Amino acid sequence: KQEVTQIPAALSVPEGENLVLNCSFTDSAIYNLQWFRQDPGKGLTSLLLIQSSQREQTSGRLNASLDKSSGRSTLYIAASQPGDSATYLCAVRYADFSSNTGKLIFGQGTTLQVKP
Amino acid sequence: DTEVTQTPKHLVMGMTNKKSLKCEQHMGHRAMYWYKQKAKKPPELMFVYSYEKLSINESVPSRFSPECPNSSLLNLHLHALQPEDSALYLCASSSGGGGYTEAFFGQGTRLTVV
Repeated sequence: KQEVTQIPAALSVPEGENLVLNCSFTDSAIYNLQWFRQDPGKGLTSLLLIQSSQREQTSGRLNASLDKSSGRSTLYIAASQPGDSATYLCAVRYADFSSNTGKLIFGQGTTLQVKP
Repeated sequence: DTEVTQTPKHLVMGMTNKKSLKCEQHMGHRAMYWYKQKAKKPPELMFVYSYEKLSINESVPSRFSPECPNSSLLNLHLHALQPEDSALYLCASSSGGGGYTEAFFGQGTRLTVV
């Protein structure tokens, strides 16, 4: 079964800390992996997209890595700020025989609180 | 412009009502998706349209009926819903031609079934 798992489920850190969020997936037949941010009651904002052939992507204070062989991705947030408080979702686009778009499957998310 | 627009933002409907959710994008994307998200849970895939044809239906009950009238528009028709169908309904799009594409999501429609 194609699954995505995220740990930890929740994380609370003081402002300024560097932190790592983890994502694991069960099937290496993936197109790409995408990290999203979701604020309470809102939609999803795309943070980073890593293609299956890439090892990492960076955007500002965010860095995402991908190890397809071990089925793992990490999202590194440098110098965290209170405005980073949100739920972070990892989504894997698995190949699917029924559709050329594949299936974007989400992990349970990590809820981050950054305290001032 | 990476915007996916969903209307309405909020919807309250009775179990005998018929309503529709609307999603629009003008990025030229050829794949569009409906997701359902319950509180404190991840989004769950419902339907995928690729080049205006339904390509994935994740065994969704027939009281949910998707429609893709053109490449920019995606509707979700609702009929005889149950209170447990109350959730945030998210629409997404990505460029067509395969899976190596980035998905963009709308802000969602908060649906309450009474």
